[in-house]
Amino acid sequence: KQEVTQIPAALSVPEGENLVLNCSFTDSAIYNLQWFRQDPGKGLTSLLLIQSSQREQTSGRLNASLDKSSGRSTLYIAASQPGDSATYLCAVGSSNTGKLIFGQGTTLQVKP
Amino acid sequence: SAVISQKPSRDICQRGTSLTIQCQVDSQVTMMFWYRQQPGQSLTLIATANQGSEATYESGFVIDKFPISRPNLTFSTLTVSNMSPEDSSIYLCSAQRGGVNTGELFFGEGSRLTVL
Repeated sequence: KQEVTQIPAALSVPEGENLVLNCSFTDSAIYNLQWFRQDPGKGLTSLLLIQSSQREQTSGRLNASLDKSSGRSTLYIAASQPGDSATYLCAVGSSNTGKLIFGQGTTLQVKP
Repeated sequence: SAVISQKPSRDICQRGTSLTIQCQVDSQVTMMFWYRQQPGQSLTLIATANQGSEATYESGFVIDKFPISRPNLTFSTLTVSNMSPEDSSIYLCSAQRGGVNTGELFFGEGSRLTVL
């Protein structure tokens, strides 16, 4: 059974710092991996989608990497801003079930 | 990206009543899903909404409790039946564009349900 773990559960950093959020999964049989952002009480906003054949994707200050063999993905946020404060969720598309499995999320606070 | 509208955005309901949540996508999509997010938790898939046929439910979720409709490629409803306080959650509609095993998933703003 696919399990997705995100570490740390919470993170607080000063504005301007570069940071890395981690996502690990137990089954390498995935078809893609997606990173989302969720603001309190809101829905999810898609940030980056990495297909299983890809190693990384970039959008602005965000860079996501994927290493299927080790079951890991990272989300790198450059020059963090208070507006980046939110919960970040990773989700893997399981090739065995065709379903998206979510991690528990990392809640990020960027202090001015 | 797909724009997904959900309503109601929030509601407070009495125990034993039912509530129907509507989800409208701005364009045709291949797949639509319903998720539940309980307080402080991550997302759990309730079911896949199939166009023109019965939804496919995940383990622990049944049609009698969560009837789902999807009459066309852009619209779906989820009903939470005979509600109890344990049903208090955010219910999220999502849609997938692209291939079944390659597409990107988009979400609505969610419907925050409180059951008294």
